[in-house]
Amino acid sequence: KAGVTQTPRYLIKTRGQQVTLSCSPISGHRSVSWYQQTPGQGLQFLFEYFSETQRNKGNFPGRFSGRQFSNSRSEMNVSTLELGDSALYLCASSPTGQINQPQHFGDGTRLSIL
Amino acid sequence: AQKITQTQPGMFVQEKEAVTLDCTYDTSDQSYGLFWYKQPSSGEMIFLIYQGSYDEQNATEGRYSLNFQKARKSANLVISASQLGDSAMYFCAMREGPLGNTPLVFGKGTRLSVIA
Repeated sequence: KAGVTQTPRYLIKTRGQQVTLSCSPISGHRSVSWYQQTPGQGLQFLFEYFSETQRNKGNFPGRFSGRQFSNSRSEMNVSTLELGDSALYLCASSPTGQINQPQHFGDGTRLSIL
Repeated sequence: AQKITQTQPGMFVQEKEAVTLDCTYDTSDQSYGLFWYKQPSSGEMIFLIYQGSYDEQNATEGRYSLNFQKARKSANLVISASQLGDSAMYFCAMREGPLGNTPLVFGKGTRLSVIA
């Protein structure tokens, strides 16, 4: 069974640009969550989608947005990039998002802002 | 307040020895789930073990076991017979509530180094 696939693996952008990251969950998984990981702040929750609906949102500015498609694939968009957005962005999926279901993570997208 | 506290920023262990990584949590919910993840230097997060708040037995998965002490709100990870490949960051995480509509909250992590 294929794991969670995130593309691209690496991205370099400049301040003010926007970026879209993609996540394909494990087949049959309908819950997709996004996390930002930085050395200073650690792992922080961005949002969770289930059946194309945003079910939960973390404490991030409106520049961070996401969506989920009918095939459960998810995209995350960051507009007007800032230097502080440099991070590893991790996507995770689980069947339905119940608390006893482990979230399985992709390899992440490493975003660098110049 | 921190929901998940990992007090050991770094630890060293001799190959083939056992090691315990500490995790304490803070919640007022009766229903919650506790998870441990491993993150090698390559970046991927690997799920290791899960413990539900109502589980009476400590969870075990191969060389990993979870020492769950509910009254003390601790969920320590025990790795037996350490291997060089166990060198990585280890994160404790919690999800609260029975419905699963709350985010997974992570601790700051413990960097484990296994010495030959």
